[in-house]
Amino acid sequence: DGGITQSPKYLFRKEGQNVTLSCEQNLNHDAMYWYRQDPGQGLRLIYYSQIVNDFQKGDIAEGYSVSREKKESFPLTVTSAQKNPTAFYLCASSIFGWVRRSYTFGSGTRLTVV
Amino acid sequence: GNSVTQMEGPVTLSEEAFLTINCTYTATGYPSLFWYVQYPGEGLQLLLKATKADDKGSNKGFEATYRKETTSFHLEKGSVQVSDSAVYFCALSGGNEKLTFGTGTRLTIIP
Repeated sequence: DGGITQSPKYLFRKEGQNVTLSCEQNLNHDAMYWYRQDPGQGLRLIYYSQIVNDFQKGDIAEGYSVSREKKESFPLTVTSAQKNPTAFYLCASSIFGWVRRSYTFGSGTRLTVV
Repeated sequence: GNSVTQMEGPVTLSEEAFLTINCTYTATGYPSLFWYVQYPGEGLQLLLKATKADDKGSNKGFEATYRKETTSFHLEKGSVQVSDSAVYFCALSGGNEKLTFGTGTRLTIIP
């Protein structure tokens, strides 16, 4: 079955360390997105990519970096510059286009800074 | 810019009660509107959607109608079950292909 796989499900990081969250999709979707979820704040867009080798900053990109070398993969790196990285991170993908707009989400990675 | 205002929770109902979760939006043009549901510890699942004015999205007994005149997309269900307990997100997608979410409403159904 097609879908989005996020790994790991739980991740612990020491302060000052960079950490990379994996997101892989086999849906042949063009666009991929990273959202951050905090209690009471809904989802906020970190980065998105509509095509391979291209990506755009979202609303809260500071302290994060991404790459899109393959259509299937969109890893997110949380750098030491991110001041409050503890959160639930969600990856999503979609078919690019007006009529067939359909977003699929992964099951998320919960990152905790210890 | 685009924004979604969603009924604040938490909402607690008894089983078989009628549910309404309010959602209003601000957007330019003609956005698509969505309701997503999130069960504990999981990602979001699409519950229903509507892509143009007066469209009604429906799924699993839930319904929502795209009301352009009131810029609303309220979620309703006639008789809720314990298994409907989750967090519900209203969202819109405009011409830039990005989703804008509301803050979510936590729903708890008591047997």
